[in-house]
Amino acid sequence: EPEVTQTPSHQVTQMGQEVILRCVPISNHLYFYWYRQILGQKVEFLVSFYNNEISEKSEIFDDQFSVERPDGSNFTLKIRSTKLEDSAMYFCASSGGSDTGELFFGEGSRLTVL
Amino acid sequence: DAKTTQPTSMDCAEGRAANLPCNHSTISGNEYVYWYRQIHSQGPQYIIHGLKNNETNEMASLIITEDRKSSTLILPHATLRDTAVYYCIVNHGSNSGYALNFGKGTSLLVTP
Repeated sequence: EPEVTQTPSHQVTQMGQEVILRCVPISNHLYFYWYRQILGQKVEFLVSFYNNEISEKSEIFDDQFSVERPDGSNFTLKIRSTKLEDSAMYFCASSGGSDTGELFFGEGSRLTVL
Repeated sequence: DAKTTQPTSMDCAEGRAANLPCNHSTISGNEYVYWYRQIHSQGPQYIIHGLKNNETNEMASLIITEDRKSSTLILPHATLRDTAVYYCIVNHGSNSGYALNFGKGTSLLVTP
């Protein structure tokens, strides 16, 4: 069964460092997402990406965050200058089209900012 | 998107049906009801969705009341592996995709 894969599974970084989280969505999907979950809290939407541009973003997704799909297969989330409060599990997801809310999520990348 | 209300937690004996309720009294006509679950901090997993008709798939059944103000997710024969947090989400979607509001969900514990 096709799946969304994410790397790394866990990254530890120092405050102020740049971090890139990588995702390989399901190959024929068109919509790509990043969500995050701070430990013990709910899953929160960050951004959706379609047709090589951001289609929607939340208030959390400020100028410190960026996304891109550099080579048509990978989908990345960059945090330019990490803060302690960026520590969370980051989930990538993809979906086949706009007519279904069936999102396929990866297993997540745990980011720890020290 | 309409707000949903779910019980914080529920228990169910293994092999019995688990019935998870959800209230969404402010749902609008073009909004679907989605159910996802999250097993111990893994990525959320899609279960089922519906608009107004009842739906069934290999994982679960979804019963939506006629006025669409509430719904129930039914796991017909719960197993220990069904222990998870279950999220009821109302969303209309758009051409920009799905910004799902997961809320706090219902923590289901399936016991032997």
